[in-house]
Amino acid sequence: DADVTQTPRNRITKTGKRIMLECSQTKGHDRMYWYRQDPGLGLRLIYYSFDVKDINKGEISDGYSVSRQAQAKFSLSLESAIPNQTALYFCATSSTVNSNQPQHFGDGTRLSIL
Amino acid sequence: AQTVTQSQPEMSVQEAETVTLSCTYDTSESDYYLFWYKQPPSRQMILVIRQEAYKQQNATENRFSVNFQKAAKSFSLKISDSQLGDAAMYFCAYRSVATASKLTFGTGTRLQVTL
Repeated sequence: DADVTQTPRNRITKTGKRIMLECSQTKGHDRMYWYRQDPGLGLRLIYYSFDVKDINKGEISDGYSVSRQAQAKFSLSLESAIPNQTALYFCATSSTVNSNQPQHFGDGTRLSIL
Repeated sequence: AQTVTQSQPEMSVQEAETVTLSCTYDTSESDYYLFWYKQPPSRQMILVIRQEAYKQQNATENRFSVNFQKAAKSFSLKISDSQLGDAAMYFCAYRSVATASKLTFGTGTRLQVTL
């Protein structure tokens, strides 16, 4: 089983819909991240969380919200989806204790907004 | 703020040959990590190699090695004996030690491997 699991793997939806992307991890890491990947732009940070009570905005948080339901779960919501939010979304985790270790990524959610 | 630049959108290499992917970065910090990630068509993000800035010795992982030039803020990836399975998107990334938070990514280089 994957250490970092994202659901759904793919999603097609319409403009104006509310969308939730989910991420769960079995690595026991305290830090979790949401990134967005667009062609030609690489990955950019949307939100990150260092523990259940600590949520921080990344560089492109507008139009998104997050919830850290438990140490192992971190969900990303698009309250009213728009076409320019069509992208590949990644969840990642890391550990404060082993801060020299790299982030571990899920397999991504491809989101298409029509 | 830190920035990472990959100036080669696409590269091509013949099987068994060597290719070097370029990456430069900008930071005012002295302590940080640098990474190369591979993204094959399956879209997974796979760590290829990492370098701690305080280490002068260049990191190596089998056929993958880096040329880390701290003063020049350069971090290139060399792939030796290229294989068809090396075809992928490669991302260079930076992470501060002080904040130990986000990764800052470059825009990626798409590597093609030809027979």
